[in-house]
Amino acid sequence: NAGVTQTPKFQVLKTGQSMTLQCAQDMNHNSMYWYRQDPGMGLRLIYYSASEGTTDKGEVPNGYNVSRLNKREFSLRLESAAPSQTSVYFCASSIRDRGNNEQFFGPGTRLTVL
Amino acid sequence: AQSVTQPDIHITVSEGASLELRCNYSYGATPYLFWYVQSPGQGLQLLLKYFSGDTLVQGIKGFEAEFKRSQSSFNLRKPSVHWSDAAEYFCAVAPSGNTGFQKLVFGTGTRLLVSP
Repeated sequence: NAGVTQTPKFQVLKTGQSMTLQCAQDMNHNSMYWYRQDPGMGLRLIYYSASEGTTDKGEVPNGYNVSRLNKREFSLRLESAAPSQTSVYFCASSIRDRGNNEQFFGPGTRLTVL
Repeated sequence: AQSVTQPDIHITVSEGASLELRCNYSYGATPYLFWYVQSPGQGLQLLLKYFSGDTLVQGIKGFEAEFKRSQSSFNLRKPSVHWSDAAEYFCAVAPSGNTGFQKLVFGTGTRLLVSP
């Protein structure tokens, strides 16, 4: 099993450009998440999908959109990138099971917006 | 709202010495508690978790953590640090309950440096 995979690993954008970060998991997990990680701020939740067909805003959703394409895939879209969105983005997934909500993380996408 | 505090931004420990990383949380009830580790350029890996029961939890790589309700703390410990433990460590909390789905709230992390 590959676990959680993310593409691309690195990306440089100019202000105003758009892009989609892809995430896929092969663990048959129900829930998926997008986080951003900035120095000194830990991980902050952008959007999540508790189960296939649902998405909800997290702590910092402004400037982002998501799509839960199917049970395996959860994409994050930046419609008009801004320098403030320079960050490392992590996708995670978890099985939706009572008492077991360990999240498994992908390797991250390092995004720079110039 | 839930919050997690990791008061130490950086900690330097000599190889072979003991380690304790601090974590305090703010939440109305006893939450689910986690410690994750992030090696440079990598994603996060779960070290251990506390849901209920025994307040001393054993994890991978020789780590353990103790839940202290009276202090709202969940400190991570290791008796003898190895150079490969150099990484960033994150404490996280999630509300307890039976919904089967919880959002994690992360602390800001503690970077561990290991000196020879």
